[in-house]
Amino acid sequence: SQTIHQWPATLVQPVGSPLSLECTVEGTSNPNLYWYRQAAGRGLQLLFYSVGIGQISSEVPQNLSASRPQDRQFILSSKKLLLSDSGFYLCAWSSLRTDIQYFGAGTRLSVL
Amino acid sequence: AQSVTQLGSHVSVSEGALVLLRCNYSSSVPPYLFWYVQYPNQGLQLLLKYTTGATLVKGINGFEAEFKKSETSFHLTKPSAHMSDAAEYFCAVVGGGADGLTFGKGTHLIIQP
Repeated sequence: SQTIHQWPATLVQPVGSPLSLECTVEGTSNPNLYWYRQAAGRGLQLLFYSVGIGQISSEVPQNLSASRPQDRQFILSSKKLLLSDSGFYLCAWSSLRTDIQYFGAGTRLSVL
Repeated sequence: AQSVTQLGSHVSVSEGALVLLRCNYSSSVPPYLFWYVQYPNQGLQLLLKYTTGATLVKGINGFEAEFKKSETSFHLTKPSAHMSDAAEYFCAVVGGGADGLTFGKGTHLIIQP
């Protein structure tokens, strides 16, 4: 069966520090991969999606970037965190055969 | 562009009472619609989905939703609320790139004993 892993579960970082969140999927190949952010009072927002290795599309301009170095690995990064980057970050995957997205457990990021 | 509106950021019902969570969508194409549930500090779990076919969709945990094209609605219901239903519920429509989801802002369901 397919599983999706995200880490770390929680993270507290100072303003201006770098960020790296990792997401990996097991049990499937060539998935579509997504990063969402859930900020207080703002609901869930799609940040990035990827349909293949090295293929990244951004839905909104921001202080973050994403990379997909391997088929089932999706990384969210920042060179310098802002206070507004705080939130709950969710990774998700879907396959071409289904329209369902499956979510990881999320990373709670607090920028202080 | 697609959009989703969930009426009521908080809904409170008594245990055993009917649960009704409202969702209206906007889409320029026939929509694919989803309801997800999120328990505290956890990811999202799919409750049910509508793509094509039967407009009344049954999901997990006794939930169901009815797609009404004329009303552009996809309301979520459950006949009898249980304490374990307390969670955040999100309605979503396919609308982003590579079929990324556009979510509503969520409805926090509170179950009173």
